[in-house]
Amino acid sequence: GQNIDQPTEMTATEGAIVQINCTYQTSGFNGLFWYQQHAGEAPTFLSYNVLDGLEEKGRFSSFLSRSKGYSYLLLKELQMKDSASYLCAVVDSNYQLIWGAGTKLIIKP
Amino acid sequence: DTAVSQTPKYLVTQMGNDKSIKCEQNLGHDTMYWYKQDSKKFLKIMFSYNNKELIINETVPNRFSPKSPDKAHLNLHINSLELGDSAVYFCASSQGMGAAGELFFGEGSRLTVL
Repeated sequence: GQNIDQPTEMTATEGAIVQINCTYQTSGFNGLFWYQQHAGEAPTFLSYNVLDGLEEKGRFSSFLSRSKGYSYLLLKELQMKDSASYLCAVVDSNYQLIWGAGTKLIIKP
Repeated sequence: DTAVSQTPKYLVTQMGNDKSIKCEQNLGHDTMYWYKQDSKKFLKIMFSYNNKELIINETVPNRFSPKSPDKAHLNLHINSLELGDSAVYFCASSQGMGAAGELFFGEGSRLTVL
C-alpha cells in the first residue's frame, strides 16, 4: 500500500529552528509537496521537490532524498504565526497525490 | 479577488437531508477537485474533473454526486446525509491534468450533520 509518515505533533520555541520529517512508500514518485494549514483554514502551498537536494525559500527550506524515500521541511527563525499543521504529499506514478496526516507545529514564546 | 471560492462556508443539517456545496475558480485552471478532511485531519481525494470530465472517482458512496457545468465550476451534491459525512470539504484547482501542479484550495465548507 501507499504510505506517508510524519510526526503527529511537534513543539518549538519562537526564534528557534525546527525540522519536520516525512517518509514515504509509494508506487512511483513524481514529486513531493509541502503545504501549510492554519487551524480552520485551507492548505497553502509551501514547496515542491522532484530532484534530490535542498530548496530554500526564505525562512523555509525543503529537502528530498528519493533513494531514502525521505523529505524534511526546515523552518528557521520561528515566529508565532508559524503555528500550523504542515502536510507532506507525494505524487505517485499515476500522478495522484498521496497525503500525510500532517504535523501540528506548536510555537511557544 | 478570490481564486477558489466555495459556498456555503458552514452547513448544519439533519440526517437524511440533501445538500449541495458550490465551487468556482477564476484561475483558468483545467482541473478541479473535491477533498474531504475529517476530524483526524487526513485530506482524502473524492473526485477530480479535468475540463468538465471526471478523471478520479475514489471509493465514495454514490450519495455523493459531483457536477461540473463548465471547467470553472465543480459542485458537490450529497443525498441522504449521514453522521459520518460531517467533515470539512475542500474544493481545489490546478493547472493541467494530474497532481503534479500546485493546488489552490478554497476556504472549505464545514458540514455538520446532526
